[in-house]
Amino acid sequence: GENVEQHPSTLSVQEGDSAVIKCTYSDSASNYFPWYKQELGKRPQLIIDIRSNVGEKKDQRIAVTLNKTAKHFSLHITETQPEDSAVYFCAATTRGTTSGTYKYIFGTGTRLKVLA
Amino acid sequence: DTAVSQTPKYLVTQMGNDKSIKCEQNLGHDTMYWYKQDSKKFLKIMFSYNNKELIINETVPNRFSPKSPDKAHLNLHINSLELGDSAVYFCASSFPPGRVTGELFFGEGSRLTVL
Repeated sequence: GENVEQHPSTLSVQEGDSAVIKCTYSDSASNYFPWYKQELGKRPQLIIDIRSNVGEKKDQRIAVTLNKTAKHFSLHITETQPEDSAVYFCAATTRGTTSGTYKYIFGTGTRLKVLA
Repeated sequence: DTAVSQTPKYLVTQMGNDKSIKCEQNLGHDTMYWYKQDSKKFLKIMFSYNNKELIINETVPNRFSPKSPDKAHLNLHINSLELGDSAVYFCASSFPPGRVTGELFFGEGSRLTVL
């Protein structure tokens, strides 16, 4: 079935360094790719998203790139800060079993630790 | 406040009991979801409703029964609770993905502990 693979599962970086998290998806019909940040004990919250007609999007220290041919998309965080420490999830919309429906499928998450 | 709200936030119960979690959104979204997050933090979709109609049902045991009285509410009832049901259950809502792709808004989560 459809799935979203995410790597790495854990990532430790020094404050100020960059962090990169990578995801691959299987459904060629996927057309929307959000990234969520979940702090300890809190709900997942959207930090950036990209649609399939765009190759790259940037918002301050966060950027996302999409390679539709390879079915890869990545999250890049530059100048990391301790408050970036959290679990990050990628997601992709993929077709549901009922015709015309879609659903969000999440990657397995990356626990990012930014060391001060 | 505009939000997705779910109750209760914490639920501790014995094996075999039946419990319900309620969810409401006032964002005007058409689609609502239940996700289960286990101890390894995996976020797995359980159900999705669009305008009160069930559109996604992911191989979830039939002890779990969602109900959507209107498009702003999606409740989850669980019968005969088992130890493996312990998890955080997140309600979420969005505009229908695929037609109007947009942000998925999550509730605060309901932590269920089955003893």
